[in-house]
Amino acid sequence: KAGVTQTPRYLIKTRGQQVTLSCSPISGHRSVSWYQQTPGQGLQFLFEYFSETQRNKGNFPGRFSGRQFSNSRSEMNVSTLELGDSALYLCASSSGQGLNEKLFFGSGTQLSVL
Amino acid sequence: AQSVAQPEDQVNVAEGNPLTVKCTYSVSGNPYLFWYVQYPNRGLQFLLKYITGDNLVKGSYGFEAEFNKSQTSFHLKKPSALVSDSALYFCAVREVDTGFQKLVFGTGTRLLVSP
Repeated sequence: KAGVTQTPRYLIKTRGQQVTLSCSPISGHRSVSWYQQTPGQGLQFLFEYFSETQRNKGNFPGRFSGRQFSNSRSEMNVSTLELGDSALYLCASSSGQGLNEKLFFGSGTQLSVL
Repeated sequence: AQSVAQPEDQVNVAEGNPLTVKCTYSVSGNPYLFWYVQYPNRGLQFLLKYITGDNLVKGSYGFEAEFNKSQTSFHLKKPSALVSDSALYFCAVREVDTGFQKLVFGTGTRLLVSP
């Protein structure tokens, strides 16, 4: 069974640009969550999608958005990039049912904003 | 709100010695606790989770965790460390107030196992 796939693996952008990151969950998983990882802030929850609906959202500005398609694949978009958006963006998938359920993480997209 | 704390930024241990990575938690209601490990340039890998009623939880790669309700701790342990265990370890708790799949992570502890 294939794991969680994130593309691209690395991205370099300049301030003011926008970027779209992609995540393909494990087959059969309906929940996709996104996290931002930085050395200073650690792992911060961005949002979670379940069956194409945003079910939960973290404390990030509106420049950060996402969506989920009918095949459960998800995309995350960041508009008007700032230097502070440089981070490792991690996607995680699960069936989305159960508080005791573990998340499966992808290898992440390393975004550098210059 | 749920939270976890990892008081040590780094833990150093010699290969073959036992290791402990500490985690304390603060939750309202039942705790849903997890340990994840991150190797360089990789995502997070699940190690183990707390299951209600089992104070000693066994997980992947020989790791185990001890749940202590009175001390609100969920420390990660391994009887004999390997150099390959060197990585970044995260304790996490499920945020049950606002949604199903949100995990709140600790700040992480870097484990360095020397040969």
